[in-house]
Amino acid sequence: EAQVTQNPRYLITVTGKKLTVTCSQNMNHEYMSWYRQDPGLGLRQIYYSMNVEVTDKGDVPEGYKVSRKEKRNFPLILESPSPNQTSLYFCASSKGVEGTEAFFGQGTRLTVV
Amino acid sequence: GQNIDQPTEMTATEGAIVQINCTYQTSGFNGLFWYQQHAGEAPTFLSYNVLDGLEEKGRFSSFLSRSKGYSYLLLKELQMKDSASYLCAVSDSNYQLIWGAGTKLIIKP
Repeated sequence: EAQVTQNPRYLITVTGKKLTVTCSQNMNHEYMSWYRQDPGLGLRQIYYSMNVEVTDKGDVPEGYKVSRKEKRNFPLILESPSPNQTSLYFCASSKGVEGTEAFFGQGTRLTVV
Repeated sequence: GQNIDQPTEMTATEGAIVQINCTYQTSGFNGLFWYQQHAGEAPTFLSYNVLDGLEEKGRFSSFLSRSKGYSYLLLKELQMKDSASYLCAVSDSNYQLIWGAGTKLIIKP
């Protein structure tokens, strides 16, 4: 089954404790991205990757890191989480960028206390 | 700046028709997407328009006017399961998606 898998689904952590949210897709997609979704705001892109070893900043990259060492995986790293990073996070992948639908992971609800 | 506007919330009756509007101002245009998102779940793709006109897909249709920076999603024969948020997103000149905040659609029996 074609899918994007994120883990964990829910996470409560403390300020400053490094964490990683994993994302994996099995569709051989080149394009992957991370979004955060907050009430009243649209999805905001954090980072994206056009292919292996190619990553770039989205609209809200501060406080986040990513890596793309292999095509299927695109982990999101919060080196020192802060309460303003409490949010719902989605990973997405697509075949390319031109007119192709994005497939989203199930979401990770992160709370930083 | 880049901006996508859609109503925050709409209410409609089961079996009726509803139109959800989306207006946009972006740097360039490479297509407009509509996604459906049920509460607490991931967005799922509904439609893509890149040329002016109406695209029909079952009970759902999407319309685009590039000159007016305007699109709408039309849902017919509404069912309770259509209660969800509907997200409008525009692909800009760099093929990056700019997202609206979404329209929460409430269906009443």
